[in-house]
Amino acid sequence: QVQLVQSGAEVKKPGASVKVSCKASGYTFTSYGISWVRQAPGQGLEWMGWISAYNGNTNYAQKLQGRVTMTTDTSTSTAYMELRSLRSDDTAVYYCARRVDIVASDYWGQGTLVTVSS
Amino acid sequence: EIVLTQSPGTLSLSPGERATLSCRASQSVSSSYLAWYQQKPGQAPRLLIYGASSRATGIPDRFSGSGSGTDFTLTISRLEPEDFAVYYCQQYGSSPETFGQGTKVEIK
Repeated sequence: QVQLVQSGAEVKKPGASVKVSCKASGYTFTSYGISWVRQAPGQGLEWMGWISAYNGNTNYAQKLQGRVTMTTDTSTSTAYMELRSLRSDDTAVYYCARRVDIVASDYWGQGTLVTVSS
Repeated sequence: EIVLTQSPGTLSLSPGERATLSCRASQSVSSSYLAWYQQKPGQAPRLLIYGASSRATGIPDRFSGSGSGTDFTLTISRLEPEDFAVYYCQQYGSSPETFGQGTKVEIK
């Protein structure tokens, strides 16, 4: 069965960086993309971008350009999302999801809480 | 950027009733690439509908999606106790992909 398992919660200081991992299993990793979506406490869903696990092509939300990097390691079927220069408003649960062009995001990780606080 | 506006913000209904949720886009959604997700507290979103009207794997047939262009609807024919949750629409045909602000379906 398809599973996406994310790394554990993180607490970071403003200005630091965080790297969240998302390990996929149960399907051919390189046949799909991985989307990243975040959700601030009590708020809605915010699309961050996605990466093709086939060729590494990325598409980032403009507001995060320059601060976010999405990568994959096909040898371990793991996707990564690094966010730099963290601010307090980056505090959120970060989700990875399997992405298919015509199907959107059909399987989701359990979420990773990133707290940015001094 | 395509802005998605969901209405109503909150829907108060009883089990067994029909729920109709709306998602309106600020411009036409490419190829009807419109999805609906359900989210319960403390859980990840769950894909219900993709391509405006196709049910995702394992989704009960009481959930249906319709619409095209700028107006889309999610209908839950008869609410079950487990259906009380927040529902989001998402357009994934144009970059940046965007989500609506959500509709909460609560028990009346």
